[in-house]
Amino acid sequence: EDQVTQSPEALRLQEGESSSLNCSYTVSGLRGLFWYRQDPGKGPEFLFTLYSAGEEKEKERLKATLTKKESFLHITAPKPEDSATYLCAVQADNYGQNFVFGPGTRLSVLP
Amino acid sequence: DTAVSQTPKYLVTQMGNDKSIKCEQNLGHDTMYWYKQDSKKFLKIMFSYNNKELIINETVPNRFSPKSPDKAHLNLHINSLELGDSAVYFCASSQSGSGDTMGETQYFGPGTRLLVL
Repeated sequence: EDQVTQSPEALRLQEGESSSLNCSYTVSGLRGLFWYRQDPGKGPEFLFTLYSAGEEKEKERLKATLTKKESFLHITAPKPEDSATYLCAVQADNYGQNFVFGPGTRLSVLP
Repeated sequence: DTAVSQTPKYLVTQMGNDKSIKCEQNLGHDTMYWYKQDSKKFLKIMFSYNNKELIINETVPNRFSPKSPDKAHLNLHINSLELGDSAVYFCASSQSGSGDTMGETQYFGPGTRLLVL
C-alpha cells in the first residue's frame, strides 16, 4: 500500500542544535517530493521540491535531500522562528496531480 | 498580494445547514484543489479540478461539491452539515505540466476553520 510517513512525530531542539527530519515513502512512479512548513493557524508554506534521488536543495538553515525511499530535511543551527510543523508530500503516477501528505513533524526550537 | 485566498476565515454553523467556502488564486494556475485537515492535522485531498477534469476522492461524501465559475475560483459547497465536518479546509492551486513526469508544486491558501455545532 502506498504511504508517506514522517519521523519523529515531535522534536524539541535547543537553539543552535542541528538535527534532521525524515520522510519515508513507498510509492511507485515518484514524480516529486515536496516539503512544506505550517505555522499554527496558517496554510502550508512551500519550501522545496525534489524530483530525483541524489538531488539536494538549500534555503537558509534548511537543506532537503532525496533518496529512492526517503527524504531528509536537515536543519542547521536552528532558531526559535524555525518552530513549526514540517510536512512532506509526494506526487506519484498513481495519483496524477494529487499530493499524498505525511502526518508531519512538530518542531520546537527553544531559546 | 495574496496568491491563494479563502473566505471566510472562520465559519461557525448549526448541524443541517448548507454553507459555502470561496477560494481565489491570482497565480494564473490551471488546477485547483480542496483539502481537509482534521483534528490530528492530517491533510487529505478532497478534490482536484482543472478545466478538463474533476477528480473526486472516493471517500468524500456527496454532500460536498466543488463549483468553479472560472479558472481562478473554486468554491466548496457543503450540504446538510454534520458534526464530523468540523475541520480546517484548505484550497490550493498548481500549474499542470506539459505531460512530462515532473511534479507540480501546489500553493496553499490560509484555510477556513469550520465548526459545526
